[in-house]
Amino acid sequence: KQEVTQIPAALSVPEGENLVLNCSFTDSAIYNLQWFRQDPGKGLTSLLLIQSSQREQTSGRLNASLDKSSGRSTLYIAASQPGDSATYLCAVSPSGSRLTFGEGTQLTVNP
Amino acid sequence: EAQVTQNPRYLITVTGKKLTVTCSQNMNHEYMSWYRQDPGLGLRQIYYSMNVEVTDKGDVPEGYKVSRKEKRNFPLILESPSPNQTSLYFCASSLLGDSFPNEKLFFGSGTQLSVL
Repeated sequence: KQEVTQIPAALSVPEGENLVLNCSFTDSAIYNLQWFRQDPGKGLTSLLLIQSSQREQTSGRLNASLDKSSGRSTLYIAASQPGDSATYLCAVSPSGSRLTFGEGTQLTVNP
Repeated sequence: EAQVTQNPRYLITVTGKKLTVTCSQNMNHEYMSWYRQDPGLGLRQIYYSMNVEVTDKGDVPEGYKVSRKEKRNFPLILESPSPNQTSLYFCASSLLGDSFPNEKLFFGSGTQLSVL
């Protein structure tokens, strides 16, 4: 059974700092990995999707990498801002119709 | 505006009283899915649908029903709710094109359900 772990569970950083969020999964047989952002009282927003054949994806200040062989992904956030404060979740797709989520990392960026 | 709409946002009910949480999307997506989110357990899939009249169980389907009579709607039905179904529920959708499952998932804003 696929398991997804995110470390740390919570992270607090000063504004402007570059940071890395970690995601690990137990089964490397995946179609893709997605990083989501969840704001309180709102749904999840897909940030980046990395297909199993890809190594990384970039969007603005966000960069996500995928190492299938080691079962790891990282989300790099450059020059963090208070508006980046949210919970970040990663999810892997072990089959076309299913997603397995991690519990998330709660990020606080202090002004 | 492209969106997934869930209703209601908040619901308090009592054990055994049937309820329906509605989900509607305006993006002509074939794939729709329901999740529940619980502290310490994360998001878990309840049911999903690949198209009209096609539904299948996720990881935690017990106590839930769904239907997909129209492409845009995917209601979640709790025939006899129990307190252990108190949770935050999310509906999601995506395209089912040639690149599926490599399509981004769009989520609704969530329904907070409390069963007393």
